[in-house]
Amino acid sequence: GIQVEQSPPDLILQEGANSTLRCNFSDSVNNLQWFHQNPWGQLINLFYIPSGTKQNGRLSATTVATERYSLLYISSSQTTDSGVYFCAVTLTGTASKLTFGTGTRLQVTL
Amino acid sequence: DGGITQSPKYLFRKEGQNVTLSCEQNLNHDAMYWYRQDPGQGLRLIYYSQIVNDFQKGDIAEGYSVSREKKESFPLTVTSAQKNPTAFYLCASSAQDGFLTSVLTFGAGSRLTVL
Repeated sequence: GIQVEQSPPDLILQEGANSTLRCNFSDSVNNLQWFHQNPWGQLINLFYIPSGTKQNGRLSATTVATERYSLLYISSSQTTDSGVYFCAVTLTGTASKLTFGTGTRLQVTL
Repeated sequence: DGGITQSPKYLFRKEGQNVTLSCEQNLNHDAMYWYRQDPGQGLRLIYYSQIVNDFQKGDIAEGYSVSREKKESFPLTVTSAQKNPTAFYLCASSAQDGFLTSVLTFGAGSRLTVL
């Protein structure tokens, strides 16, 4: 099956710093989503981004489908950004089945 | 407000017992999913359903069963055949755009502990 690797696995930032999270995938995809899981376990969708670039406030994401990677940028980080960030993909030609990466655990300190 | 409701939030069970986790959505989504998350790990797909009365196995279906009798409901039964059932279980739903899956919405999760 498709492999989804995220880096770095862990990240500690001081409040106000910027960061880039990376998601590499092993095959052609027709769906890529970024999620944030808060410390209580709730997953929130951040971006639906199979290709191109999107921005939402301090967050932005870019997917280069031809090179099989996606980047999530967090600017001016806040303590509420802490948690785990997952990317999830669907292999081209398959329906419904989103495969999740192992996540990047982010801790933002004061 | 539209969303997904999972219950119970916390559940303790003795070995050898079956338990059923509830998942209800009022988003009018066609597709529903169950994922399992172990501590420090990503999410793994257990079962998914694209339409009422139909469902498919995911990557780790052994020891689990589901039903989809109503569009709004997708309960998951963790059977005694599941060797290591202690985990965090997440239900999700999405609209379907033909063959493609759209944005996933997740419930708050159910944490199952086997004593």
